[in-house]
Amino acid sequence: RKEVEQDPGPFNVPEGATVAFNCTYSNSASQSFFWYRQDCRKEPKLLMSVYSSGNEDGRFTAQLNRASQYISLLIRDSKLSDSATYLCVVLKGNNRLAFGKGNQVVVIP
Amino acid sequence: DTAVSQTPKYLVTQMGNDKSIKCEQNLGHDTMYWYKQDSKKFLKIMFSYNNKELIINETVPNRFSPKSPDKAHLNLHINSLELGDSAVYFCASSLRGPNTEAFFGQGTRLTVV
Repeated sequence: RKEVEQDPGPFNVPEGATVAFNCTYSNSASQSFFWYRQDCRKEPKLLMSVYSSGNEDGRFTAQLNRASQYISLLIRDSKLSDSATYLCVVLKGNNRLAFGKGNQVVVIP
Repeated sequence: DTAVSQTPKYLVTQMGNDKSIKCEQNLGHDTMYWYKQDSKKFLKIMFSYNNKELIINETVPNRFSPKSPDKAHLNLHINSLELGDSAVYFCASSLRGPNTEAFFGQGTRLTVV
């Protein structure tokens, strides 16, 4: 089983719609979780950290489910500029970050 | 001001050559990293340095040798390049270890022919 699994998509989303996707992780000892955004042929950038209580930043909401070992990201009122790949990142017990392959989101006008 | 800068941005070279990629961060961070992103888009850690000391060395061929002359710089030297080394190499830094936000450089797209 991969350390971090994501459905690569693409997720084709009409502008203004809501899109959500999950990421599962294999190591139950993982302590920290993040969503990074990577635009085509660019570097990854932190979108948000994921806290146990869940967190929200504008149109973006992240949730953590430790029991089922997944984190989720929800994007409301999608904008064209949200088109990117969203990388799920997990800090493993050996102090290394494990990256998922990413969920590719394409927002369609 | 670029926070994490790496050079060159593109590198095309023949098999068997030796090449270096340079990275500098002006954020005052303690920790620097080299990541490899292959054609399948997985980002994998290669090396991590904390205050010039190597703390993570993943299973990477010893043809890859990182060097950190000071806290702000982490260079990557690759000997005897192989076709399979073709990838995008990202330098990154974080304030204090992997639990803090990582800032990535623009990446170096290495193509070995």
